[in-house]
Amino acid sequence: KAGVTQTPRYLIKTRGQQVTLSCSPISGHRSVSWYQQTPGQGLQFLFEYFSETQRNKGNFPGRFSGRQFSNSRSEMNVSTLELGDSALYLCASSLEGTSWDEQFFGPGTRLTVL
Amino acid sequence: GEDVEQSLFLSVREGDSSVINCTYTDSSSTYLYWYKQEPGAGLQLLTYIFSNMDMKQDQRLTVLLNKKDKHLSLRIADTQTGDSAIYFCAEREAGNMLTFGGGTRLMVKP
Repeated sequence: KAGVTQTPRYLIKTRGQQVTLSCSPISGHRSVSWYQQTPGQGLQFLFEYFSETQRNKGNFPGRFSGRQFSNSRSEMNVSTLELGDSALYLCASSLEGTSWDEQFFGPGTRLTVL
Repeated sequence: GEDVEQSLFLSVREGDSSVINCTYTDSSSTYLYWYKQEPGAGLQLLTYIFSNMDMKQDQRLTVLLNKKDKHLSLRIADTQTGDSAIYFCAEREAGNMLTFGGGTRLMVKP
């Protein structure tokens, strides 16, 4: 069974641009969560999607958005990039997103903003 | 707000036991987790414990939970150089959101 895949693995953008990251969950998983990992702030929850609906949202500005498609694949978008958006963006999938579901993480997309 | 704290660094010799500690603040947490992250990689779930348990053992890993003190620990027996990584504890609150600690970098010396 294939794991969670994220594309691209590495990305370099400049300030003011926008970026779209993609996450393909494990087959059969319907919940996809996104996390941002930075040296300063650590791992922080961005949002969770389930059945194409945003179910939970972390404390990030509106420049960060996401969506989920009918096949459970998810994308996150960051508009008007800032230097502080440089981070490793991790996606995790789980079956239904309930408390007892294990979350499986992808390898992440490393975004560098210049 | 919720907060999860860990010490930053731990160094042990190969073959010794490692104990990584974590404190959390949300008493309503249902599950507590330990994840491992190797350089350039995502997070790998090592083990978890349900909040009504005190201890869980899984091969070389032992998790201890003290709910009264909101303290969680991960013991790795017979630590190997391949165990060198960053270890994160995390608590799961309502819904599917994980709150992570800052991570403990474990260095295993041969």
